[in-house]
Amino acid sequence: GAVVSQHPSWVICKSGTSVKIECRSLDFQATTMFWYRQFPKQSLMLMATSNEGSKATYEQGVEKDKFLINHASLTLSTLTVTSAHPEDSSFYICSVRESDYGYTFGSGTRLTVV
Amino acid sequence: GQNIDQPTEMTATEGAIVQINCTYQTSGFNGLFWYQQHAGEAPTFLSYNVLDGLEEKGRFSSFLSRSKGYSYLLLKELQMKDSASYLCASMDSNYQLIWGAGTKLIIKP
Repeated sequence: GAVVSQHPSWVICKSGTSVKIECRSLDFQATTMFWYRQFPKQSLMLMATSNEGSKATYEQGVEKDKFLINHASLTLSTLTVTSAHPEDSSFYICSVRESDYGYTFGSGTRLTVV
Repeated sequence: GQNIDQPTEMTATEGAIVQINCTYQTSGFNGLFWYQQHAGEAPTFLSYNVLDGLEEKGRFSSFLSRSKGYSYLLLKELQMKDSASYLCASMDSNYQLIWGAGTKLIIKP
């Protein structure tokens, strides 16, 4: 299956600053990538679907201006958490869909906003 | 609506067998996935069922009943490293995954 690299693995930032998370598909050209958020002891929540060369599709309740997604190439999607606040602290995971039934996940990014 | 239910936590003994159940309500059902997730890590794929019946893969087996909206993951010969959360996810008509909250499995010696 595809190999997905996510960076950084963990980040601590001050409240009000912005953080960028990268998701790279190393051996698969991904026209679609998915960004999830997972709070402790909770399920994966889909935040948005990242589409190469076009605007991302956000799930209901996810602020587009706060969670900026850029999918400029077939191998890279980025999620920028702007003006982060402590309530944004979470585990963020990207995923590549290789086929209708094949999903591969990045290693995740633990964001802590202090 | 779309809904996935699975137990929050289960405890089992090393060497034993455990069954984790999952019930789902999904429009345009396209199959049922099981993933394993260790704390602080991303989920890893375990199994995919789209037809009724049991799929066996080593120590892990997964069962699906489409008519009942029910699946289970069966883990045999439990090892300490099997301590993790097990996520059930159904796929809808748009090939999107709908996730359960996960079942935390605790293995005791």
